[in-house]
Amino acid sequence: SQTIHQWPATLVQPVGSPLSLECTVEGTSNPNLYWYRQAAGRGLQLLFYSVGIGQISSEVPQNLSASRPQDRQFILSSKKLLLSDSGFYLCAWIWTGRGGEQFFGPGTRLTVL
Amino acid sequence: SQQGEEDPQALSIQEGENATMNCSYKTSINNLQWYRQNSGRGLVHLILIRSNEREKHSGRLRVTLDTSKKSSSLLITASRAADTASYFCATDTTGGGNKLTFGTGTQLKVEL
Repeated sequence: SQTIHQWPATLVQPVGSPLSLECTVEGTSNPNLYWYRQAAGRGLQLLFYSVGIGQISSEVPQNLSASRPQDRQFILSSKKLLLSDSGFYLCAWIWTGRGGEQFFGPGTRLTVL
Repeated sequence: SQQGEEDPQALSIQEGENATMNCSYKTSINNLQWYRQNSGRGLVHLILIRSNEREKHSGRLRVTLDTSKKSSSLLITASRAADTASYFCATDTTGGGNKLTFGTGTQLKVEL
């Protein structure tokens, strides 16, 4: 069976500090991977997606970057956090080439102070 | 901008009643999906309806799709307190990457 992990679950960081959030998927190969951000009480905003190792597409200009160093690893980073980076970050995966459901991780709650 | 907009934003009903949520979107789609999110948790997929389908059922869930009106509805029958959650529609458009565009969600509260 497939599972998706995200860590940490919660994170409190000062403004200007770096960020690294990690997402890994088990039990599948060559998935499409996605990073979303959810502001409080709002829907999900797609930040980045990846269709393969080293292939990253950015959906919105922002203070964040993403990398996919391995097939089932997706990392969200920032060199200097802003207050507006606070939110709930969700990673998701999908079977490549199949239009269908996305499987979501448990999320990381990031608070920038 | 949001592709999907849910209506209502919040819904409060009694256990046993039916709950109906609506979603409108703007561009052509491959499919439309509904997800559920419990507070502070990840999203769970509920049901997917393809652009050439008009209605789909899964247990107590019934989804309809009207591509001419660019709208969908999710009906939860005989609701339970455990159905309390936020519900989101998401559209898979004809672009690449199987990207989903999510709506703003409906917060459903089912009271005993």
